[in-house]
Amino acid sequence: EVPLVESGGGLVKPGGSLRLSCAASGFTFSHAWMSWVRQAPGKGLEYVGHIKSKNDGGTTDYAAPVKGRFTISRDDSKNTLYLQMNSLKTDDTAVYYCSRNYRTYYFDYWGQGTLVAVSS
Amino acid sequence: QSALTQPPSASGSPGQSVTISCTGASSDVGGYNFVSWYQQHPGKAPRLMIYEVTKRPSGVPDRFSGSKSGNTASLTVSGLQAEDEAKYFCSSYAGSNNFVVFGGGTKLTVL
Repeated sequence: EVPLVESGGGLVKPGGSLRLSCAASGFTFSHAWMSWVRQAPGKGLEYVGHIKSKNDGGTTDYAAPVKGRFTISRDDSKNTLYLQMNSLKTDDTAVYYCSRNYRTYYFDYWGQGTLVAVSS
Repeated sequence: QSALTQPPSASGSPGQSVTISCTGASSDVGGYNFVSWYQQHPGKAPRLMIYEVTKRPSGVPDRFSGSKSGNTASLTVSGLQAEDEAKYFCSSYAGSNNFVVFGGGTKLTVL
């Protein structure tokens, strides 16, 4: 059973917005730090950002390329992680993975990914 | 360009051992014992194989091992099997500003 399932990807024009969701199961979501990691076609993995558990402050941090444009949030009552992406650029085209992380030290659960394509 | 440097490819015959390197800097690999390795088969999600340099999650065969010396970490796969053919990515914690950096990945081919 895959504990993380992403949804919400698709084709969007440059400058547009998209919201990704990640439904979690099989572990105590509210206790987990969660991340988004992306992978451009044929490229390596790239850290996007993370959100701490509410117990640890619930704060967020982002990689420089997305800071100010992307927002990570969580709804612990729904066991769901979100990624709001605004002002999208063609460079944002990638498969976006939701992942559980241990204090950003490593990522132990991964979803199957959802493809975001930014093109005119 | 990825923050951590990995060779683009590696190969070995079944039963042999292969080591994949991952070179960073004192601000990431050399500065913290938080190097991790991920296996990714085509079209699939990454899978954690090694964390905190040398530790294996439950379910990962003991054929997989990790080590680190200075700014370079290594993943060794012993007793190569056909199912080990995949892309392997390294990652390191990089402090409270950059958080996480990844390598570009190494395609492991089992000949």
